[in-house]
Amino acid sequence: GQSLEQPSEVTAVEGAIVQINCTYQTSGFYGLSWYQQHDGGAPTFLSYNALDGLEETGRFSSFLSRSDSYGYLLLQELQMKDSASYFCAFGMDGGFKTIFGAGTRLFVKA
Amino acid sequence: GAVVSQHPSWVICKSGTSVKIECRSLDFQATTMFWYRQFPKQSLMLMATSNEGSKATYEQGVEKDKFLINHASLTLSTLTVTSAHPEDSSFYICSALRGTHTDTQYFGPGTRLTVL
Repeated sequence: GQSLEQPSEVTAVEGAIVQINCTYQTSGFYGLSWYQQHDGGAPTFLSYNALDGLEETGRFSSFLSRSDSYGYLLLQELQMKDSASYFCAFGMDGGFKTIFGAGTRLFVKA
Repeated sequence: GAVVSQHPSWVICKSGTSVKIECRSLDFQATTMFWYRQFPKQSLMLMATSNEGSKATYEQGVEKDKFLINHASLTLSTLTVTSAHPEDSSFYICSALRGTHTDTQYFGPGTRLTVL
């Protein structure tokens, strides 16, 4: 079957660095994506890794290791507005459909 | 670019009534749209894939007769929750696929459905 596992909650202080891990299991893999969702809002796309390695986009970076079925999202210089839920997700069916993990709620404290 | 709208943003209805939710891609054409359902503090669950000009593909466990999907044009997909019940209360989110890969999907703002 297909599944993704990520921690349910993470707490960090403003200005710090936090890493949200994601492990997955699937028969067909077409890349790992990360989304941010604030309460009551829609998911917004953060990052996508199709190949192994690190992708950097401003304060956010995402890493993928296909051999380990593992990825992470790294958030640097945390701000209060980063408090949100973060979902890892993978594409399947040729990359066409997206399956989301359960999400990690990030709480940023002053 | 790549804006997706949903209407209504929230709706309250009585049990037994039907509710239609619209999803529009405003500045691009989307042959494929997706409908998700999200309960509070839970993940997005893919309900169905909406294909323009053909029948929707439903995920396992999703009742196609209860959640009617129509993708009438390249910019519009509708989800109708028929004979709604309180357990159908949820946050419904659509996304539109701009390219051919999952990383090119753009999400609508969601519709909060409350069934009394």
